[in-house]
Order: sequence, then C-alpha cells, then structure tokens
Amino acid sequence: DGGITQSPKYLFRKEGQNVTLSCEQNLNHDAMYWYRQDPGQGLRLIYYSQIVNDFQKGDIAEGYSVSREKKESFPLTVTSAQKNPTAFYLCASRVEGGWQPQHFGDGTRLSIL
Amino acid sequence: SQQGEEDPQALSIQEGENATMNCSYKTSINNLQWYRQNSGRGLVHLILIRSNEREKHSGRLRVTLDTSKKSSSLLITASRAADTASYFCATGPGGYQKVTFGTGTKLQVIP
Repeated sequence: DGGITQSPKYLFRKEGQNVTLSCEQNLNHDAMYWYRQDPGQGLRLIYYSQIVNDFQKGDIAEGYSVSREKKESFPLTVTSAQKNPTAFYLCASRVEGGWQPQHFGDGTRLSIL
Repeated sequence: SQQGEEDPQALSIQEGENATMNCSYKTSINNLQWYRQNSGRGLVHLILIRSNEREKHSGRLRVTLDTSKKSSSLLITASRAADTASYFCATGPGGYQKVTFGTGTKLQVIP
C-alpha cells in the first residue's frame, strides 16, 4: 500500500541536542511538507520541498533544518536553537500542481526530557 | 499566519444528528479543502471545492462555499460515533503555492 511513514512515533530530546524526524513516502509525489501542531491548534508550515535538492522555508522555519536528497525522503532536524520544540510534527506529500490534496503521515510527538 | 478560522471551536452532538462547522478566510482563494484528524493521527483529505463552485457533496458530507463572504461550511449528516475528530479547512491559491490550514473544529459525536 502506498503511503507516508513517519518515525519514530514518540521522541524525546535532551537539552542542547539535535534530533531528526524521518519521513518517507512511496506515493511518487514531488512535493513534501513539514508541519508543526501544538495542542488544540492548527498546522503551521515549517519547510516544504517541491523537488529533489530544493526546499523553501515556511512560516516557522527558525530552529529547524531539512534536506531533500531523494524524492522519497524529507527528514526534519529539530536543532538546539529551537527553544520550544515540544509539539506534534506532521509530514505530508502531494502531487505538485493544480489542486491536489495533501497526504499525511501519522506524526511524531516530540517532547523535552 | 493562519488563513482560516473554524467555528465553533468545539461541537458535541448526539449520534444521528447533523453537524455543521464553518470556516472563514481572509484572502482570495482558488480552492478550499476540508480535512479530518482523528486524535493522535495525521490529517485525511475529505473534499475539495473550487472557487467557481458553490456546493459539493460526497457521501454524508456537504460543503458550501460563499466567496463573497469568504466563508465555507461543512455539513455532516446523520453523524456517527466514528465521525468524532477534529475538522480543518485549508485554503490555497492553487498551483505551486502552499496550503494554509485553519484552527479546526473539534467534533464529538455521543453514541
């Protein structure tokens, strides 16, 4: 079955530590997205990528970094510069262009130790 | 910044009743989408309505769009306990531009 896999489901970060969240898709989608969701809130865009080796900052990119070396993979690193990283992180992908819907993974919940 | 604002923030109904939630947005759009999110899960796309459409149906879902008022509504008829979830509207200019999600309506359907 095609879909988006995020791992791990739960992640704990120590003070001053960088952590990387994995996102893999086998839908052959060009575009991929990372969102942050705080409790009771909507989604805020962190980074997005329309094509391999290219990505753009979203609304809240500070303290985060991404790479897009393969079409299938779009990992997100939460750096120590992100002072309030506790949140639910969602990865999405879609066929680029037109009005195609986004397909989401089941998220990674990041907490601070 | 958040483009869409859903109303109400929370809604509790009995099974079998209809649920209506509204979305208002600020700038011109090419399309509006509705998504569902079960607790602790990712979002699932429900329906897309284009700016030149006024109403769209999909099963028990009915979506309306009023571009003059910059608002949309999602009606779920004959609700079921399995409809318990948060519902988000998302707006986008289409093409390569990013989609912006609203703040969501949390729906509880009581069996």
